[in-house]
Amino acid sequence: SAVISQKPSRDICQRGTSLTIQCQVDSQVTMMFWYRQQPGQSLTLIATANQGSEATYESGFVIDKFPISRPNLTFSTLTVSNMSPEDSSIYLCSVSFDRSRDEQYFGPGTRLTVT
Amino acid sequence: LAKTTQPISMDSYEGQEVNITCSHNNIATNDYITWYQQFPSQGPRFIIQGYKTKVTNEVASLFIPADRKSSTLSLPRVSLSDTAVYYCLVRSTSGYSTLTFGKGTMLLVSP
Repeated sequence: SAVISQKPSRDICQRGTSLTIQCQVDSQVTMMFWYRQQPGQSLTLIATANQGSEATYESGFVIDKFPISRPNLTFSTLTVSNMSPEDSSIYLCSVSFDRSRDEQYFGPGTRLTVT
Repeated sequence: LAKTTQPISMDSYEGQEVNITCSHNNIATNDYITWYQQFPSQGPRFIIQGYKTKVTNEVASLFIPADRKSSTLSLPRVSLSDTAVYYCLVRSTSGYSTLTFGKGTMLLVSP
């Protein structure tokens, strides 16, 4: 298993600003992912964070809006850029140890409110 | 990508067995079936994964019929703390693909 921490746990931001969310894992992992979960909704995958290369974004998500870094096997950041109220959501980091398995471990999430 | 269909919500009482059925009519040969549980204000937690027949762990059982077009997550003797959203996912383990979460089933367990 893995213990995942996210910072900040929550934030209130003004529109037009950017917020960087950090995800730290207590052990080296193969895969790291970023999801978004809007209130009362299911999870939507934003991107797969790749170590040493550009993240792989899902349809509807672009690097300019959600730049992602993954400098090593235990850490990743997601930036929500030029925020609007529509970006208000919970952002979750998840990790897995095996590319072929479906067992992912999720962080506690970052609750973002954009005013 | 096989689409899944689950009931939006279910109600139960403490001590009862709860069965949540997921339909995945277009499941492919290489697809596995996975269930996650999500408590309020927490990230989802992996419960169980299976390919066919029956899988059991300390938390739940997963029943998959021969045609694999549906699956049933069985939670024995639920307690209040089992109140959560349960997601059924289908994903191919051939090559690599990402998880797609559907709407899930909100299980409410009452005293």
